[in-house]
Amino acid sequence: DTAVSQTPKYLVTQMGNDKSIKCEQNLGHDTMYWYKQDSKKFLKIMFSYNNKELIINETVPNRFSPKSPDKAHLNLHINSLELGDSAVYFCASSQFAGRDSPLHFGNGTRLTVT
Amino acid sequence: QQQVKQSPQSLIVQKGGISIINCAYENTAFDYFPWYQQFPGKGPALLIAIRPDVSEKKEGRFTISFNKSAKQFSLHIMDSQPGDSATYFCAASKYGGATNKLIFGTGTLLAVQP
Repeated sequence: DTAVSQTPKYLVTQMGNDKSIKCEQNLGHDTMYWYKQDSKKFLKIMFSYNNKELIINETVPNRFSPKSPDKAHLNLHINSLELGDSAVYFCASSQFAGRDSPLHFGNGTRLTVT
Repeated sequence: QQQVKQSPQSLIVQKGGISIINCAYENTAFDYFPWYQQFPGKGPALLIAIRPDVSEKKEGRFTISFNKSAKQFSLHIMDSQPGDSATYFCAASKYGGATNKLIFGTGTLLAVQP
């Protein structure tokens, strides 16, 4: 039973295309996140939703738009993909939004933009 | 601006040895310091965490040492095993608000040689 699952695992696309990454968690958690891990493995938060409400929105280009249809799902849509968007995108969840609520990460979606 | 600095970037340790990874932070508002472990192709997973009201926390072979005055904390892995080979991330977050915004260090790639 995968706790946090992301699809697809790999995504190869051309510049200018629009793509989506889906995430689902079956842990019953209230809070979900998107993190970006670059080629140097640096992890940076992009967005966080708590009970479907956006609570963290880092300085991410407007081309990135998260959507949370319900507490268990958080999708990421990316418009007009650029070479610099190539990275591994991780979805995560935590039981609540407090600072010491452990994050549970999915296994990532490796996005390659050519 | 890198708020959490981590060193070394990579580390090779013999089986049975002690692995030590160091982190330093600047923001004195940080008050929760977790360590995450990431295996290739997987998302990070919480290993151990500490709050600044204690100077040390131990869980099995893993120990966090915390020096509040120096704004430094470190992870010690005793009796390192080949299965410990992974990338380790320190992180920090601050109390207050309804968000769990973890700031990650740059990661340390640990290789434990048999």
